[in-house]
Amino acid sequence: LAKTTQPISMDSYEGQEVNITCSHNNIATNDYITWYQQFPSQGPRFIIQGYKTKVTNEVASLFIPADRKSSTLSLPRVSLSDTAVYYCLVGDPMNSGGYQKVTFGTGTKLQVIP
Amino acid sequence: EPEVTQTPSHQVTQMGQEVILRCVPISNHLYFYWYRQILGQKVEFLVSFYNNEISEKSEIFDDQFSVERPDGSNFTLKIRSTKLEDSAMYFCASNPGQGRHEQYFGPGTRLTVT
Repeated sequence: LAKTTQPISMDSYEGQEVNITCSHNNIATNDYITWYQQFPSQGPRFIIQGYKTKVTNEVASLFIPADRKSSTLSLPRVSLSDTAVYYCLVGDPMNSGGYQKVTFGTGTKLQVIP
Repeated sequence: EPEVTQTPSHQVTQMGQEVILRCVPISNHLYFYWYRQILGQKVEFLVSFYNNEISEKSEIFDDQFSVERPDGSNFTLKIRSTKLEDSAMYFCASNPGQGRHEQYFGPGTRLTVT
């Protein structure tokens, strides 16, 4: 599994756009980039996944440059309820014909300030 | 929207006792997982399960642990003789397969071993 590096914590004011960058220099050809969100005492929640360029859904956008050595999760106009830990994960979902376990790092603790 | 459910939400047990944690994955999902998170630490993979057998397990998942899918809906994690260090949040997750890579996590069971 490719090692990922992301900031330990970030603060943002309500209403601002938040960008969390993740470095994954050793990403492999078959690896996807996935982001999960976790609120205290809750299970992680899938946010978005991508392979290259840009992916957008109703919650977030994921920007992946051409070299795929990093990725940026963009949360538009955050609210207090977006305060959570955000995890960047890199791996091949179809490892050995199965669906690979998710390996979590320490994540980025986002604190949204009123 | 379908959700993974887990029972109980909180289980207190004495050291040496057996516990069974229960999960109902999302209907029609094919891959099932157990993870645990010790307070303040990372989410750790325990085991994955597909087609009625374990497909992968971590070094944490020793002989004290077992999983079962006794019927078409439940997925259980049994700890035969609990230790103090088994105290953690235990999360069940499921994946639909069919080319989709995201995992859907349950709300967790908080296990306290005294």
